[in-house]
Amino acid sequence: GEDVEQSLFLSVREGDSSVINCTYTDSSSTYLYWYKQEPGAGLQLLTYIFSNMDMKQDQRLTVLLNKKDKHLSLRIADTQTGDSAIYFCAEGNDYKLSFGAGTTVTVRA
Amino acid sequence: GAVVSQHPSWVICKSGTSVKIECRSLDFQATTMFWYRQFPKQSLMLMATSNEGSKATYEQGVEKDKFLINHASLTLSTLTVTSAHPEDSSFYICSARGGTGNIQYFGAGTRLSVL
Repeated sequence: GEDVEQSLFLSVREGDSSVINCTYTDSSSTYLYWYKQEPGAGLQLLTYIFSNMDMKQDQRLTVLLNKKDKHLSLRIADTQTGDSAIYFCAEGNDYKLSFGAGTTVTVRA
Repeated sequence: GAVVSQHPSWVICKSGTSVKIECRSLDFQATTMFWYRQFPKQSLMLMATSNEGSKATYEQGVEKDKFLINHASLTLSTLTVTSAHPEDSSFYICSARGGTGNIQYFGAGTRLSVL
C-alpha cells in the first residue's frame, strides 16, 4: 500500500527559508502535491508536480522531486508569519490520494 | 481558481439524529468527489469516493449504512451521518476532482460535534 512520511515539526525564523521534506513509496504516483491547512480550515492546494518533472517554482514556493529516491521537498522562501500552518504532502493518481501526517511549521519572529 | 464549497462549517447535534453535509464544486464540474475524516492533529483518512450517478466506493472499515453518500450531479455530493453518536464527532472534509490538471480541490471542512 501507499505510505507517505514527513517530519512532524519545523520551526523557522521569519525571513529565513523553510524546507519541508517528504518521502513516499508508491512509484506509480502520477501527481505529488503540497497542501496547507490553517487551524480549523480545510486544505488549500499550494502546488503540485507531475511525476515526470524534477522541479517546479511558483513565486516563493519551490518543489523538488527526486523520483529515484521517492523524495519530495517544498521550499518556502522568505518565510512569513502567515506561513505558520500544517503542510501535507500527498501522492496519488487518478483514483485517490495518500497523505502524510502533516508538518507543523511555526514561524518565530 | 477551482472553488469547493462545503456546508455547514460547524454543526452540533444530539445523539441519534442524522446530519447532512453538502459539498459543491462552484466553478467546475467534478467527475469524482471524495470524503475524508480528520481526527485532531492527524492526517486525513479517506472514507469514500463517489462518482456522479453511481454508488460510492467505501474504504475498508467505513460503514456505508452509517455514512450515506449521494452524488446527484457533477457539482454536488452529500454525506449523511445517520444516527450520529459522540464517536462520530470529527472534522469531515470533502474534495472534488476536476478542472485544469484533474486536481483535487478541498472544501473548508465541517466540524461535527455530537452530544
